[in-house]
Amino acid sequence: GENVEQHPSTLSVQEGDSAVIKCTYSDSASNYFPWYKQELGKRPQLIIDIRSNVGEKKDQRIAVTLNKTAKHFSLHITETQPEDSAVYFCAAYAGSGNTGKLIFGQGTTLQVKP
Amino acid sequence: DADVTQTPRNRITKTGKRIMLECSQTKGHDRMYWYRQDPGLGLRLIYYSFDVKDINKGEISDGYSVSRQAQAKFSLSLESAIPNQTALYFCATSDPTGRSTGELFFGEGSRLTVL
Repeated sequence: GENVEQHPSTLSVQEGDSAVIKCTYSDSASNYFPWYKQELGKRPQLIIDIRSNVGEKKDQRIAVTLNKTAKHFSLHITETQPEDSAVYFCAAYAGSGNTGKLIFGQGTTLQVKP
Repeated sequence: DADVTQTPRNRITKTGKRIMLECSQTKGHDRMYWYRQDPGLGLRLIYYSFDVKDINKGEISDGYSVSRQAQAKFSLSLESAIPNQTALYFCATSDPTGRSTGELFFGEGSRLTVL
């Protein structure tokens, strides 16, 4: 089955710097890659996603890139702010058609220092 | 506001006890999921259901069972709880778009401690 590896497990940056979180997946048939953000004590929420027919997607300060050949995708956060501090999860949609399931990575704890 | 509600939010129990975590949703979504969150292990899928008559095992279904009582209700049971089932449990729903699962909407989580 699908396996998603996420790195690093923790990341600390200064406010204003960029942060990059990387994920690899194993199932070449995976076609949907969302990113979720979980603030302390809260539920995970979708922040951005990308489909396999697109190489890059951007939404204000966050962007996601996908390399299907290498089977990896990354989250980029520019001009980080303290409110970006959270746990970030990548995921890959494994399975065929609309019968698959979403498999998550291990999570990255991002700390943005003021 | 349409939401996903989990009960109980916190539960402490003893080894060997039967525990049920309940999830109800007012989003009108057909798909429902149970995930388990452990530090360093991320969110792992336990069971999922695409409609009332459909139940599927996820990555870590051993020791768990589920019941989809209605479109809006999906319960997770631990028949005989053990300490390594101590975790934060999330229920989620989705409304699939195209060929993917669509956005997952999570409940607030149920923290279970097994002594």
